[in-house]
Amino acid sequence: ETGVTQSPTHLIKTRGQQVTLRCSSQSGHNTVSWYQQALGQGPQFIFQYYREEENGRGNFPPRFSGLQFPNYSSELNVNALELDDSALYLCASSWGGQGNYEQYFGPGTRLTVT
Amino acid sequence: SQQGEEDPQALSIQEGENATMNCSYKTSINNLQWYRQNSGRGLVHLILIRSNEREKHSGRLRVTLDTSKKSSSLLITASRAADTASYFCATATQGAQKLVFGQGTRLTINP
Repeated sequence: ETGVTQSPTHLIKTRGQQVTLRCSSQSGHNTVSWYQQALGQGPQFIFQYYREEENGRGNFPPRFSGLQFPNYSSELNVNALELDDSALYLCASSWGGQGNYEQYFGPGTRLTVT
Repeated sequence: SQQGEEDPQALSIQEGENATMNCSYKTSINNLQWYRQNSGRGLVHLILIRSNEREKHSGRLRVTLDTSKKSSSLLITASRAADTASYFCATATQGAQKLVFGQGTRLTINP
């Protein structure tokens, strides 16, 4: 157990809808990164939040957005859902706003878009 | 895009045998990390090896890094059924915010 929690565990949405996923970081960590993992693939970096500011973004369209709160928990919002958004969404917390530290992953939210 | 490429994509061995997985990457890195994932759930951090290190151990795990060949290997000794999982390498470059993962090796330990 890493101390990183995510909610919900599973979610089914319809194409065109919007979704919000939540992540609580491990105590003492000030950075949350979000990753998308399609079936059979490795995780792909969506973006990172460091001290409530976006601190780097992967190759994802603007309809993927996020927030980080003063307690360092975070939300991932996806608008206008597409079928290809079906994936496991992982958040990871760490200390420091770079990839040079080990990251502690939550159990993930499995999103299915129909 | 994936920087790391794991080899093999799938590995099946008998309990008690050693398992070796390899990872190759393309650009200079600050560190390389190995993670384990059970049944499509969250990733568990195993080992972080920095670019100036050549080998690290943690229990039954041994990781090597060859920056001249841009490759790393993960050795699991005396494998157990509980080691059945997918294993991913992930690279971090200097100043970058993200980890870049490979596609993983699916390891099956047969009793």
